[in-house]
Amino acid sequence: AQRVTQPEKLLSVFKGAPVELKCNYSYSGSPELFWYVQYSRQRLQLLLRHISRESIKGFTADLNKGETSFHLKKPFAQEEDSAMYYCALRANTGGFKTIFGAGTRLFVKA
Amino acid sequence: DAMVIQNPRYQVTQFGKPVTLSCSQTLNHNVMYWYQQKSSQAPKLLFHYYDKDFNNEADTPDNFQSRRPNTSFCFLDIRSPGLGDAAMYLCATSRDLSGQPVQYFGPGTRLTVT
Repeated sequence: AQRVTQPEKLLSVFKGAPVELKCNYSYSGSPELFWYVQYSRQRLQLLLRHISRESIKGFTADLNKGETSFHLKKPFAQEEDSAMYYCALRANTGGFKTIFGAGTRLFVKA
Repeated sequence: DAMVIQNPRYQVTQFGKPVTLSCSQTLNHNVMYWYQQKSSQAPKLLFHYYDKDFNNEADTPDNFQSRRPNTSFCFLDIRSPGLGDAAMYLCATSRDLSGQPVQYFGPGTRLTVT
Protein backbone atom coordinates (compact mmCIF):
# COMPACT_ATOMS: atom_id res chain seq x y z
CA ALA A 1 0.00 0.00 0.00
CA GLN A 2 1.10 3.55 -0.66
CA ARG A 3 1.96 5.44 2.49
CA VAL A 4 3.77 8.60 3.52
CA THR A 5 5.10 8.89 7.04
CA GLN A 6 6.29 12.06 8.71
CA PRO A 7 7.43 10.89 12.11
CA GLU A 8 7.59 14.31 13.75
CA LYS A 9 4.42 16.30 14.38
CA LEU A 10 6.39 19.23 15.70
CA LEU A 11 9.96 20.32 15.15
CA SER A 12 11.37 23.29 17.00
CA VAL A 13 14.77 24.78 16.14
CA PHE A 14 16.61 28.00 16.79
CA LYS A 15 17.16 30.54 14.04
CA GLY A 16 20.37 29.76 12.18
CA ALA A 17 20.35 26.10 13.14
CA PRO A 18 20.12 23.35 10.52
CA VAL A 19 16.75 21.75 10.06
CA GLU A 20 15.71 18.40 8.66
CA LEU A 21 12.10 17.35 8.27
CA LYS A 22 11.82 13.63 7.80
CA CYS A 23 9.67 11.85 5.26
CA ASN A 24 9.54 8.15 4.55
CA TYR A 25 7.36 6.51 1.98
CA SER A 26 6.07 3.12 1.01
CA TYR A 27 5.43 2.46 -2.66
CA SER A 28 6.32 -0.48 -4.82
CA GLY A 29 6.88 1.49 -8.01
CA SER A 30 8.83 4.59 -8.90
CA PRO A 31 7.09 7.52 -7.22
CA GLU A 32 7.25 11.23 -7.60
CA LEU A 33 7.78 13.06 -4.33
CA PHE A 34 6.80 16.56 -3.32
CA TRP A 35 7.02 18.89 -0.36
CA TYR A 36 4.09 21.23 0.16
CA VAL A 37 4.10 24.04 2.73
CA GLN A 38 1.38 25.99 4.49
CA TYR A 39 2.36 29.27 6.12
CA SER A 40 0.13 30.81 8.73
CA ARG A 41 -3.19 31.98 7.24
CA GLN A 42 -2.11 30.94 3.75
CA ARG A 43 -3.10 28.11 1.50
CA LEU A 44 -1.21 24.91 0.96
CA GLN A 45 1.33 25.39 -1.81
CA LEU A 46 4.12 23.51 -3.50
CA LEU A 47 7.59 24.00 -2.05
CA LEU A 48 9.57 21.64 -4.22
CA ARG A 49 9.42 18.37 -6.16
CA HIS A 50 12.17 15.83 -6.43
CA ILE A 51 12.43 15.75 -10.20
CA SER A 52 13.21 19.46 -10.29
CA ARG A 53 16.28 19.08 -8.12
CA GLU A 54 15.97 22.72 -7.15
CA SER A 55 16.73 24.60 -3.98
CA ILE A 56 13.70 26.64 -3.01
CA LYS A 57 14.01 29.20 -0.19
CA GLY A 58 17.21 27.41 0.78
CA PHE A 59 15.46 24.05 1.15
CA THR A 60 16.59 20.92 -0.65
CA ALA A 61 15.32 17.36 -0.64
CA ASP A 62 16.96 14.28 -2.08
CA LEU A 63 15.08 11.16 -2.97
CA ASN A 64 16.79 8.14 -1.45
CA LYS A 65 15.22 5.08 -3.01
CA GLY A 66 17.29 2.69 -0.91
CA GLU A 67 15.98 4.17 2.31
CA THR A 68 12.63 5.19 0.76
CA SER A 69 13.09 8.67 2.17
CA PHE A 70 12.68 12.22 0.96
CA HIS A 71 13.87 14.36 3.83
CA LEU A 72 13.67 18.14 3.58
CA LYS A 73 16.75 20.06 4.67
CA LYS A 74 17.90 23.58 5.17
CA PRO A 75 21.33 24.49 6.57
CA PHE A 76 20.26 27.68 8.36
CA ALA A 77 16.66 28.02 9.48
CA GLN A 78 14.94 31.41 9.39
CA GLU A 79 11.96 32.56 11.43
CA GLU A 80 9.92 32.91 8.25
CA ASP A 81 10.35 29.18 7.66
CA SER A 82 7.91 28.50 10.49
CA ALA A 83 5.04 26.66 8.84
CA MET A 84 3.34 23.32 8.35
CA TYR A 85 5.19 21.04 5.92
CA TYR A 86 3.59 18.13 4.12
CA CYS A 87 5.42 15.44 2.23
CA ALA A 88 3.45 13.93 -0.64
CA LEU A 89 3.85 10.97 -2.94
CA ARG A 90 2.30 10.65 -6.35
CA ALA A 91 1.94 7.21 -7.85
CA ASN A 92 3.04 7.04 -11.45
CA THR A 93 0.50 4.40 -12.35
CA GLY A 94 -3.08 3.45 -11.62
CA GLY A 95 -4.78 6.80 -11.45
CA PHE A 96 -1.79 8.92 -10.41
CA LYS A 97 -3.16 9.47 -6.93
CA THR A 98 -1.31 11.78 -4.54
CA ILE A 99 -0.93 10.67 -0.94
CA PHE A 100 -0.06 13.21 1.74
CA GLY A 101 1.72 12.72 5.02
CA ALA A 102 0.20 14.05 8.23
CA GLY A 103 2.56 17.01 8.25
CA THR A 104 5.27 18.43 10.47
CA ARG A 105 4.92 21.80 12.09
CA LEU A 106 8.25 23.63 12.04
CA PHE A 107 8.74 26.35 14.60
CA VAL A 108 11.85 28.47 14.28
CA LYS A 109 12.68 30.34 17.45
CA ALA A 110 14.48 33.67 17.50
CA ASP B 1 -4.11 36.45 -10.33
CA ALA B 2 -5.11 32.99 -11.44
CA MET B 3 -6.23 31.05 -8.46
CA VAL B 4 -8.48 28.56 -6.71
CA ILE B 5 -11.38 30.02 -4.75
CA GLN B 6 -13.51 28.29 -2.17
CA ASN B 7 -16.80 29.53 -0.80
CA PRO B 8 -17.75 29.85 1.90
CA ARG B 9 -14.63 29.85 4.06
CA TYR B 10 -16.66 28.73 7.07
CA GLN B 11 -19.85 26.70 6.94
CA VAL B 12 -22.03 25.60 9.79
CA THR B 13 -24.70 23.01 9.14
CA GLN B 14 -27.00 20.90 11.24
CA PHE B 15 -26.73 17.18 11.67
CA GLY B 16 -28.44 15.58 8.69
CA LYS B 17 -29.01 18.81 6.77
CA PRO B 18 -27.55 18.72 3.25
CA VAL B 19 -24.74 21.13 2.55
CA THR B 20 -22.85 22.17 -0.57
CA LEU B 21 -19.32 23.52 -0.70
CA SER B 22 -18.13 25.43 -3.73
CA CYS B 23 -14.82 25.64 -5.57
CA SER B 24 -13.90 27.67 -8.61
CA GLN B 25 -10.67 28.11 -10.53
CA THR B 26 -9.29 30.57 -13.03
CA LEU B 27 -6.29 28.39 -13.92
CA ASN B 28 -8.15 26.48 -16.64
CA HIS B 29 -6.82 23.24 -15.21
CA ASN B 30 -8.19 19.90 -16.30
CA VAL B 31 -8.21 18.24 -12.91
CA MET B 32 -10.09 19.28 -9.78
CA TYR B 33 -9.77 17.48 -6.46
CA TRP B 34 -11.61 17.46 -3.16
CA TYR B 35 -9.76 16.58 0.03
CA GLN B 36 -11.01 16.19 3.57
CA GLN B 37 -8.60 17.18 6.32
CA LYS B 38 -9.31 16.54 9.97
CA SER B 39 -7.30 18.05 12.77
CA SER B 40 -3.64 16.94 12.80
CA GLN B 41 -4.23 14.53 9.94
CA ALA B 42 -3.14 14.33 6.33
CA PRO B 43 -5.42 15.68 3.63
CA LYS B 44 -7.44 12.71 2.44
CA LEU B 45 -8.52 12.56 -1.18
CA LEU B 46 -12.26 12.09 -1.58
CA PHE B 47 -12.50 12.23 -5.38
CA HIS B 48 -11.30 14.06 -8.42
CA TYR B 49 -12.54 15.08 -11.83
CA TYR B 50 -10.39 14.83 -14.92
CA ASP B 51 -12.38 17.07 -17.24
CA LYS B 52 -15.85 15.52 -16.91
CA ASP B 53 -14.62 12.12 -15.78
CA PHE B 54 -15.41 11.53 -12.13
CA ASN B 55 -13.05 9.36 -10.08
CA ASN B 56 -14.22 8.35 -6.65
CA GLU B 57 -11.84 6.97 -4.04
CA ALA B 58 -12.84 3.52 -2.88
CA ASP B 59 -13.21 4.54 0.74
CA THR B 60 -15.17 7.75 0.17
CA PRO B 61 -18.57 7.39 1.84
CA ASP B 62 -21.67 7.52 -0.37
CA ASN B 63 -22.75 10.52 1.67
CA PHE B 64 -20.24 12.58 -0.32
CA GLN B 65 -21.04 13.53 -3.90
CA SER B 66 -19.54 15.94 -6.37
CA ARG B 67 -20.57 17.88 -9.43
CA ARG B 68 -18.51 19.66 -12.04
CA PRO B 69 -20.85 21.60 -14.33
CA ASN B 70 -18.00 23.21 -16.26
CA THR B 71 -14.21 23.55 -16.24
CA SER B 72 -14.22 26.34 -13.70
CA PHE B 73 -16.54 25.06 -11.00
CA CYS B 74 -16.70 21.99 -8.81
CA PHE B 75 -19.07 21.32 -5.92
CA LEU B 76 -18.93 19.01 -2.94
CA ASP B 77 -22.32 17.86 -1.71
CA ILE B 78 -22.71 16.19 1.67
CA ARG B 79 -26.15 14.66 1.67
CA SER B 80 -26.60 14.00 5.38
CA PRO B 81 -23.72 15.43 7.38
CA GLY B 82 -22.77 13.64 10.55
CA LEU B 83 -20.69 14.94 13.41
CA GLY B 84 -17.74 12.99 12.01
CA ASP B 85 -17.85 15.02 8.80
CA ALA B 86 -16.72 18.16 10.56
CA ALA B 87 -13.40 18.98 8.93
CA MET B 88 -11.53 21.32 6.62
CA TYR B 89 -12.40 20.63 3.00
CA LEU B 90 -9.73 21.52 0.48
CA CYS B 91 -10.22 21.97 -3.22
CA ALA B 92 -7.20 21.67 -5.49
CA THR B 93 -6.49 21.73 -9.20
CA SER B 94 -3.75 20.49 -11.48
CA ARG B 95 -3.18 20.88 -15.17
CA ASP B 96 -3.24 17.14 -15.61
CA LEU B 97 -2.52 13.94 -13.75
CA SER B 98 0.77 12.83 -15.22
CA GLY B 99 2.91 15.46 -16.90
CA GLN B 100 1.84 18.46 -14.84
CA PRO B 101 0.78 17.02 -11.48
CA VAL B 102 1.55 19.97 -9.22
CA GLN B 103 -1.58 20.81 -7.26
CA TYR B 104 -2.83 24.29 -6.53
CA PHE B 105 -4.97 24.57 -3.45
CA GLY B 106 -7.80 26.77 -2.39
CA PRO B 107 -7.92 28.26 1.12
CA GLY B 108 -10.31 25.58 2.32
CA THR B 109 -13.79 25.56 3.82
CA ARG B 110 -14.08 24.67 7.47
CA LEU B 111 -17.27 22.73 8.05
CA THR B 112 -18.88 22.58 11.47
CA VAL B 113 -21.75 20.17 12.11
CA THR B 114 -24.02 20.96 15.05
